[in-house]
Amino acid sequence: GDSVTQMEGPVTLSEEAFLTINCTYTATGYPSLFWYVQYPGEGLQLLLKATKADDKGSNKGFEATYRKETTSFHLEKGSVQVSDSAVYFCALGTSGGSYIPTFGRGTSLIVHP
Amino acid sequence: KAGVTQTPRYLIKTRGQQVTLSCSPISGHRSVSWYQQTPGQGLQFLFEYFSETQRNKGNFPGRFSGRQFSNSRSEMNVSTLELGDSALYLCASSAAPGANYGYTFGSGTRLTVV
Repeated sequence: GDSVTQMEGPVTLSEEAFLTINCTYTATGYPSLFWYVQYPGEGLQLLLKATKADDKGSNKGFEATYRKETTSFHLEKGSVQVSDSAVYFCALGTSGGSYIPTFGRGTSLIVHP
Repeated sequence: KAGVTQTPRYLIKTRGQQVTLSCSPISGHRSVSWYQQTPGQGLQFLFEYFSETQRNKGNFPGRFSGRQFSNSRSEMNVSTLELGDSALYLCASSAAPGANYGYTFGSGTRLTVV
């Protein structure tokens, strides 16, 4: 079935550092891909999405490109802030092989001043 | 516009009791999904409703059930609570089923079973 693999956390960075959180997936169809962010004590918020191969999703300085050839959707940000500290989830929408969305386990990001 | 509203935010129940959680989706969204989030298992899909019909169900025992009303509001019920049911229960709404549009999540209901 469909699956999502995210890098283990926590990822600890200093403010203004470059961020990469790796995400790879397996899917039998061509699902949309998403990144969600969860701040402490809150639900998940949709951060960005891409609906087809080579699409780049972007929001609030975060970017991710839908790479079909490497089945990846890595999240990047050029300069992180303390306020970016949160848990980030990579997710697949539904595809021909699954009608149930698939979430990764989440990667915790801690940004120090 | 108002977001996804879940009530209550916190609940403490005793083993063996039952509980009902409520979710009001974003206005105009007809698809509502429920997830259980725990540190050990991450996010696990419970069920999805669209136009009052359950479209998909995750791998949870029959003690977990849900329904959706004509105004798209949804409830989930857990009967005969067990300690392992302690979790954050998240509701998510979407304009259409299948989640390829992306979800909007509520803040969740934190259920503690003692």
